[in-house]
Amino acid sequence: GAVVSQHPSWVICKSGTSVKIECRSLDFQATTMFWYRQFPKQSLMLMATSNEGSKATYEQGVEKDKFLINHASLTLSTLTVTSAHPEDSSFYICSARELGQRYEQYFGPGTRLTVT
Amino acid sequence: GQQVMQIPQYQHVQEGEDFTTYCNSSTTLSNIQWYKQRPGGHPVFLIQLVKSGEVKKQKRLTFQFGEAKKNSSLHITATQTTDVGTYFCAGSTSGTYKYIFGTGTRLKVLA
Repeated sequence: GAVVSQHPSWVICKSGTSVKIECRSLDFQATTMFWYRQFPKQSLMLMATSNEGSKATYEQGVEKDKFLINHASLTLSTLTVTSAHPEDSSFYICSARELGQRYEQYFGPGTRLTVT
Repeated sequence: GQQVMQIPQYQHVQEGEDFTTYCNSSTTLSNIQWYKQRPGGHPVFLIQLVKSGEVKKQKRLTFQFGEAKKNSSLHITATQTTDVGTYFCAGSTSGTYKYIFGTGTRLKVLA
């Protein structure tokens, strides 16, 4: 149980285009989903917290107009990187907290984004 | 803002040696989690500590939460090559459900 999927697992796009990444909780309802970014050999940086049906809360320094987050249902959150640039190339990972659970979060397998 | 630091950054050990990574938070935590990330993989949840001074064991792994709930440690006894990876702690403060990840400790085990 407690499986989180991400799609796509990797994507290459051209500079200036937008990319959408999906995060799904497959066998549980997720009231809260988190989006992280990880550069090679570095830690996970929390970008934003997404609650179903409400606006995402972004961490300091994260541009909300560039990284659009939508949490339309209890099983799906999306991250759209708008007008992508090479510096946006990174590993994006989502995690989900199950409805009724206080602490545990389950991570998706991540999406490798390369902007050329 | 809240910062979570881990030491050491890297550790190379011979197979069979013990290993410890330390996690220190700039703020008091409500709970702390530990994750393992293999190269190319995503973080995998290992354990969660909630109580002050709590100690939990999982086979060769021992996790400890400090009395002040600002630090934690992960100790691996008799490392194996399968222990290779980066170990992250992640702390949460009261009133939030978000976790701030530590800087990580990358472990290499030499056979």
